[in-house]
Amino acid sequence: EAGVVQSPRYKIIEKKQPVAFWCNPISGHNTLYWYRQNLGQGPELLIRYENEEAVDDSQLPKDRFSAERLKGVDSTLKIQPAELGDSAVYLCASSFFTSANNEKLFFGSGTQLSVL
Amino acid sequence: AQTVTQSQPEMSVQEAETVTLSCTYDTSESDYYLFWYKQPPSRQMILVIRQEAYKQQNATENRFSVNFQKAAKSFSLKISDSQLGDAAMYFCAYRRVKGSSNTGKLIFGQGTTLQVKP
Repeated sequence: EAGVVQSPRYKIIEKKQPVAFWCNPISGHNTLYWYRQNLGQGPELLIRYENEEAVDDSQLPKDRFSAERLKGVDSTLKIQPAELGDSAVYLCASSFFTSANNEKLFFGSGTQLSVL
Repeated sequence: AQTVTQSQPEMSVQEAETVTLSCTYDTSESDYYLFWYKQPPSRQMILVIRQEAYKQQNATENRFSVNFQKAAKSFSLKISDSQLGDAAMYFCAYRRVKGSSNTGKLIFGQGTTLQVKP
């Protein structure tokens, strides 16, 4: 199995430009997460999906960030316009529950964004 | 709000020796999960070990074990017989129990970079 696939792996853009990241979760995983990881820090949740519904987007900066998960499978995270402070690694993860509280979580390799 | 703190930005260990990474957390909840994740240069987060707060017994996975002190809100990771492949950034993380709001959200510490010397 391919695991969680993210693309692109690297992206360099100028500030004020738009950018999009794509995530293909593991087949059958209903839950999908987008995390942002600033340099030298731990990841922070941006948004969580249960199937196609965004159930936690409280930390998504909605003025410039948007996300979608059409048909409850692939997801896209967009930034428009990008700012210098958006430079970070954007990680996608997907999961399923083996029992009520036993979540198996798998991360992708992330997209490293550099805003110049 | 829950917080996770890792006070050691960097640690080093000699190959085959033992090293302990520290983590403290703050929560008002009685039941939760704690994790240690490894992040190599490939950036992919890999689960090392998982601890359920209601279990008093410390979790163990081969060379990796934890010292879970619930009253002290401490969760340290011990790596025995360190190998060169253990070199990576290690993150401590907290998650609420399913059924609570914001379930599934992992709260990470700042990370500890582990260097393994041959």
